[in-house]
Amino acid sequence: GDSVTQMEGPVTLSEEAFLTINCTYTATGYPSLFWYVQYPGEGLQLLLKATKADDKGSNKGFEATYRKETTSFHLEKGSVQVSDSAVYFCALSGFGANSKLTFGKGITLSVRP
Amino acid sequence: GAGVSQSPRYKVAKRGQDVALRCDPISGHVSLFWYQQALGQGPEFLTYFQNEAQLDKSGLPSDRFFAERPEGSVSTLKIQRTQQEDSAVYLCASSLFLAGLTGELFFGEGSRLTVL
Repeated sequence: GDSVTQMEGPVTLSEEAFLTINCTYTATGYPSLFWYVQYPGEGLQLLLKATKADDKGSNKGFEATYRKETTSFHLEKGSVQVSDSAVYFCALSGFGANSKLTFGKGITLSVRP
Repeated sequence: GAGVSQSPRYKVAKRGQDVALRCDPISGHVSLFWYQQALGQGPEFLTYFQNEAQLDKSGLPSDRFFAERPEGSVSTLKIQRTQQEDSAVYLCASSLFLAGLTGELFFGEGSRLTVL
């Protein structure tokens, strides 16, 4: 079945550091890929998405490129802020209107001033 | 409010008790999902509704778990004869369209169930 693998955490960075969070997936067909974020005390929310190979999703300075050849969707940000401290989940949606989201384990990012 | 609302936010149950968790999705949202999130893990799919129809319940871990959405709006997840392994955060999410088309789900803050 479909699955998502995220790098082990937690990750602690200083403000303005470069961020990479790795995500790889296994799926049949052509999934759509997502990053969701959960800020402290809040529900999960969509950060960005890409629906086909070579698409780049971007939002709030974060980017991720759908790489079909390496089955990856790594999240990057050039300069993190304290406000980026959160839990980040990579997810995929299988093909079809009624398909569900399959999530990775999540990784906690802490950014110190 | 305008978001997905879940209640109760926290529930402590003795082993063997029945519990009911409620989800109020965003008004007009067609799709509704329930997920289970154990400590330190990602959300795991439980079940999916399109309006009042339960189209996928493949993730429900046992026949002690039951979900309904009788009028296509509010949904209830019921767990009978709770066990310690049921302790988790139960997340509800809704989507305006068929979720597979956009992938954007709006999540509630979850109901944290602790079974003693």
